[in-house]
Amino acid sequence: QKEVEQNSGPLSVPEGAIASLNCTYSDRVSQSFFWYRQYSGKSPELIMSIYSNGDKEDGRFTAQLNKASQYVSLLIRDSQPSDSATYLCAVSWGSGNTGKLIFGQGTTLQVKP
Amino acid sequence: DAGVTQSPTHLIKTRGQQVTLRCSPISGHKSVSWYQQVLGQGPQFIFQYYEKEERGRGNFPDRFSARQFPNYSSELNVNALLLGDSALYLCASSSGQGLDFGAGTRLSVL
Repeated sequence: QKEVEQNSGPLSVPEGAIASLNCTYSDRVSQSFFWYRQYSGKSPELIMSIYSNGDKEDGRFTAQLNKASQYVSLLIRDSQPSDSATYLCAVSWGSGNTGKLIFGQGTTLQVKP
Repeated sequence: DAGVTQSPTHLIKTRGQQVTLRCSPISGHKSVSWYQQVLGQGPQFIFQYYEKEERGRGNFPDRFSARQFPNYSSELNVNALLLGDSALYLCASSSGQGLDFGAGTRLSVL
């Protein structure tokens, strides 16, 4: 059973702080990893993708991947109230094909002004 | 450019009925995937189609079926609806760099 695990939260951080979101996955064959943001009542929006071990930065977002530990994380620097949403970790099902993703249940982030 | 479009946005059905959901991918995307998202959970993979052929199927009963047309649009059909089929149904298209989701169809089964 391929699984992606996330702490459902809620994770509460003050405005301006760093939010750290974590995800573990069970399929060692997975090659592609994604973070999606989902506002209440809306569909998921892709915010980061990462394919190689290490860090990938995009603005206030940094994704970190450790394939040996089967661990993916997302850091959000200078958190803003508008970052309050559910963050979904997604992992490709097997190697290569990114059309089939396994999602975690999501972590709810609350940024307090 | 238009994103992934889905119709209808909302749907109310009763148990035992059948429903058809429609999706048009981003122009140039040949892969379409369908996901079911139950409240409080992450999306769950139902089907993927690429160039009109089924590329994968998730752990869903045979009541769920789909197809892709020559213009790459897709339909998801669900027969003999159950209360547990109530969910947000998401269509996504892909160019190989992650999925772009449509706004979804919210299905309520009464």
